Amino acid sequence: DTGVSQDPRHKITKRGQNVTFRCDPISEHNRLYWYRQTLGQGPEFLTYFQNEAQLEKSRLLSDRFSAERPKGSFSTLEIQRTEQGDSAMYLCASSRTLEAFFGQGTRLTVV
Amino acid sequence: KQEVTQIPAALSVPEGENLVLNCSFTDSAIYNLQWFRQDPGKGLTSLLLIQSSQREQTSGRLNASLDKSSGRSTLYIAASQPGDSATYLCATSPGGSEKLVFGKGTKLTVNP
Repeated sequence: DTGVSQDPRHKITKRGQNVTFRCDPISEHNRLYWYRQTLGQGPEFLTYFQNEAQLEKSRLLSDRFSAERPKGSFSTLEIQRTEQGDSAMYLCASSRTLEAFFGQGTRLTVV
Repeated sequence: KQEVTQIPAALSVPEGENLVLNCSFTDSAIYNLQWFRQDPGKGLTSLLLIQSSQREQTSGRLNASLDKSSGRSTLYIAASQPGDSATYLCATSPGGSEKLVFGKGTKLTVNP
């Protein structure tokens, strides 16, 4: 499989718990992006990595959110002390040039 | 701040019809514009990418055009099929940023 891979596909967690999502980009793609999508809306940008460097972060990314991309390969997105408003689809994308390719997303439900 | 608008929000057509989906954006200083397809509960599938120096791109039954000066793009789908039913999203890459700014999408239903 040469596409963007995200794990898990679904996550249900209790409010206040921490969750971590993983994204494996397409091989040799040096750019990696995280987006969040709620029902009926388009995806909203969260953060961007070029190789291992986090170069851009949205104001949407509160202090409870942190993302890493060690060694410029896979990336993780952690949400601490989850809130019901964090319920959304979290999408990862990667690119080598201009065209972005998305994974299937992780659906987070906070109960 | 770049804003992207897609009209209509939903569209229902009979099979075989040719159709046009519209996308407008407020800031014409863009690197590129990309059209995506999203099936319910799934991720996004890239359909077409138009670089800022290009006017249109074609892939099979799909044709996308870009008019930067007027801040508009259209996605033309020829001879629509029930399998084309999905939400279509357009996104622009604002100048100076690597991120994509998305519209809310057009939900297309093609009836057999």
